[in-house]
Amino acid sequence: EVQLVQSGAEVKKPGESLKISCKGAGNSFTNYWIGWVRQMPGKGLEWMGVIYPGDSDARYNPSFQGQVTISADKSITTAYLQWRSLKASDTAMYYCARRLYVSHGFDMWGQGTMVTVSS
Amino acid sequence: SYELTQPPSVSVSPGQTASISCSGDALPKQYAYWYQHKPGQAPVLVIYKDSERPSGIPERFSGSHSGTTVTLTISGVQAEDEADYYCQSADSSETYVFGTGTKVTVL
Repeated sequence: EVQLVQSGAEVKKPGESLKISCKGAGNSFTNYWIGWVRQMPGKGLEWMGVIYPGDSDARYNPSFQGQVTISADKSITTAYLQWRSLKASDTAMYYCARRLYVSHGFDMWGQGTMVTVSS
Repeated sequence: SYELTQPPSVSVSPGQTASISCSGDALPKQYAYWYQHKPGQAPVLVIYKDSERPSGIPERFSGSHSGTTVTLTISGVQAEDEADYYCQSADSSETYVFGTGTKVTVL
């Protein structure tokens, strides 16, 4: 079964760095756009950005540009979401999701990674 | 920034029909997608390209599009349909937006 598997929950302190991952399988990953979506506690879904692992072309929601870095390593079919300096307001569930091949919906989602930032 | 506006909540009795609207100025030029999101689970795509249903999604889920508004309709609502629902659209430059979300309560 094709799926996206995300790294486990993280508890970090403000100012620390973090990189979470999303691993897919073969061509079902490399040839598709992969997006990252944030859900803060009690809030809705927010699109953060997308990346095309085939050439690492990344696009960002302006609200997240400069706050996070989206990257991918196609050799290990893994996408990443990275912070250089976490804030308490980064506490949220983060999902990766695969975009449909010929349209802009996300048809496959990871299980989510909960990130908690607290002193 | 571009927004998609949904009603915060919709309540419906089992067997009845729930309709969830999603409004946005760019929708006349973009397809819409709908997701069902239950607590503790990943979102699930229930409608793509306005009205197409992915494999495995029950026929009671349908979508429509008229101008600046798209609508998700759940016919013959079942208890298991209680969830948050989000619309989403995107432009050709890979810029995406999610709607504000609607909590569907089955009475």
